[in-house]
This record gives sequence, C-alpha cells and structure tokens, in this order.
Amino acid sequence: EDKVVQSPLSLVVHEGDTVTLNCSYEVTNFRSLLWYKQEKKAPTFLFMLTSSGIEKKSGRLSSILDKKELFSILNITATQTGDSAIYLCAVDGSGGGADGLTFGKGTHLIIQP
Amino acid sequence: SAVISQKPSRDICQRGTSLTIQCQVDSQVTMMFWYRQQPGQSLTLIATANQGSEATYESGFVIDKFPISRPNLTFSTLTVSNMSPEDSSIYLCSARQGTNQPQHFGDGTRLSIL
Repeated sequence: EDKVVQSPLSLVVHEGDTVTLNCSYEVTNFRSLLWYKQEKKAPTFLFMLTSSGIEKKSGRLSSILDKKELFSILNITATQTGDSAIYLCAVDGSGGGADGLTFGKGTHLIIQP
Repeated sequence: SAVISQKPSRDICQRGTSLTIQCQVDSQVTMMFWYRQQPGQSLTLIATANQGSEATYESGFVIDKFPISRPNLTFSTLTVSNMSPEDSSIYLCSARQGTNQPQHFGDGTRLSIL
C-alpha cells in the first residue's frame, strides 16, 4: 500500500518569510509525485514531478524530487497572506489503485501579516 | 487543463436516503476518479470510473454503497446509497487527460447527513 507523510502538519510564519514543506513517500511502481494547494474548495494543481533533481518553478513556488531518498520539498519564497492554505502532496503509483493518487495529510500553512 | 463541474455543490440529506453527484468535464478525458475527504482529513480514493464498464473500487469501498457510472468520456456520477451520518464528507471528482498528465479536481460536493 502506498504511503505519503507530510511535515510539518501545520506552520505559522510571517509575511515575507520563506517556507519549506516536506513530503516523504513509499510507493509501489512510482510514476509521479504531485503537489496541490487547497483553500476552501477543490485542490488546485501546482506541480507534477517525475525525475530526480530537476527543479520545477512557478513564480515564488518551486519543488524538487529525490527518488533515491524518496522525498520531495515545496518551497515558497517571500510568502504572502494569499499563500495561506493546505498544501497536499500525492503520489501516483500502482499501490494507489489503477491510476488514483495517494495523498498525505497535508501541511496547513498560515501566513500572518 | 480541463474544467470540471460538479453538482450539487452541497446538500443536506436524511439518514437512509441516497444522493447522486454529477461530474461533467469540458473535454474528453481518459481517466476519471472519485475521492472522499472526511472532515479534517485528506483525500481518499473511492474508485476509478471506467468508461463503458464497471468502476474499480479501492479497499473499503463497495459498489452497493457507492455505485458509479461513466457513460462517456466527459461525464460520471457517484451515488452515495443508504446514507448515514458517517457519510458526511466532501466528495470530489477528478480527471486526467493522458497517462503523463496531472489529475485536476472539481470543486467538490459537501454532503451532510442528519
């Protein structure tokens, strides 16, 4: 059975700080790792990672995957109050159903003004 | 990316009744999925909705309780049958356009059972 562990589970920082969110995983037949941002409604897709060591970047957000150590990090620089959300890490592997995702519990990030 | 619409967005139901949730995608997709998010929890996969055949259910979920239909490449339904308060959750539909593409989610259906 696939497993995803995120840390920390919650984090409170001030606007302008940089945060690093962690995701470790155990998966059968790894295909990809995905990061999502969830505010009040549906998870919004951020990144999909399939190869080790290649950083993906979108504005102030970036993410990287280490397939040897089985983890990924999500970095957010110069945080803003609009970054407050739950950040979900998920893996796509054959242990999570034919093609379904296995999610971690999420990191609840709060950015204080 | 595909736009995914779910309805209803929320409902309050009586114990013992059933509710069908609809999921519509604005383009043809290869895979569609249904997830449940219980209060304060993360997402758990219920089943993969297979076009033209029976859905593939995850351990702990059965067809009698969560029948799923997928008549074509853009539409699926999930029925929550004989509801009890433990079924109070957000139910989310997702879709993926290709094997190496990410899953995108609908806005979810918030279901409360009294």
